[in-house]
Amino acid sequence: GAVVSQHPSRVICKSGTSVKIECRSLDFQATTMFWYRQFPKQSLMLMATSNEGSKATYEQGVEKDKFLINHASLTLSTLTVTSAHPEDSSFYICSARDLDAASTGGGYTFGSGTRLTVV
Amino acid sequence: EDQVTQSPEALRLQEGESSSLNCSYTVSGLRGLFWYRQDPGKGPEFLFTLYSAGEEKEKERLKATLTKKESFLHITAPKPEDSATYLCAVRDVNDYKLSFGAGTTVTVRA
Repeated sequence: GAVVSQHPSRVICKSGTSVKIECRSLDFQATTMFWYRQFPKQSLMLMATSNEGSKATYEQGVEKDKFLINHASLTLSTLTVTSAHPEDSSFYICSARDLDAASTGGGYTFGSGTRLTVV
Repeated sequence: EDQVTQSPEALRLQEGESSSLNCSYTVSGLRGLFWYRQDPGKGPEFLFTLYSAGEEKEKERLKATLTKKESFLHITAPKPEDSATYLCAVRDVNDYKLSFGAGTTVTVRA
């Protein structure tokens, strides 16, 4: 089945530095990628939606200059957390829209998540 | 705005003790209702998609049902390996984003 590979799985960074998270779709082309963040014992909150080759659409309240999203190819999307601070510590998850998986996987394939800790 | 409410927040079951999880939703038009399983520190794992009221789907000990206002996830004779957080999400006909509920954390004791 469709797989989205997300790296790194865990990262610890110092306050003020930037961190890049990668999501790659394996064996399928992800024209649309979604980025979520999840706080402990809370649900997935959509941060932004990106379409290949165009600018990402950010949800209300999400700082686009802080969370930079690049979707330059049909198999790779990246989220860069710039000038990270402790309050950015969270679990970040990507999801790719896979139309071919609609019947077997619901049409949305999720990465395994990245635990970001800012110290 | 789409709204998804899951109950209960947490459920502790004895092995073999069947139970149900609820997902109530509000959308302008339902394109699909999704159930996912999420283990700690992992991404959601797809379980089911339901599209219309009256639809039911089964997978091993899990069965999902759908009405016009809510969905239920029935867990029959659960085992400890069924312990996880179960997430419900909806997709509106006017969009392709998913709106998630807060989840139900299920713990099954041997």
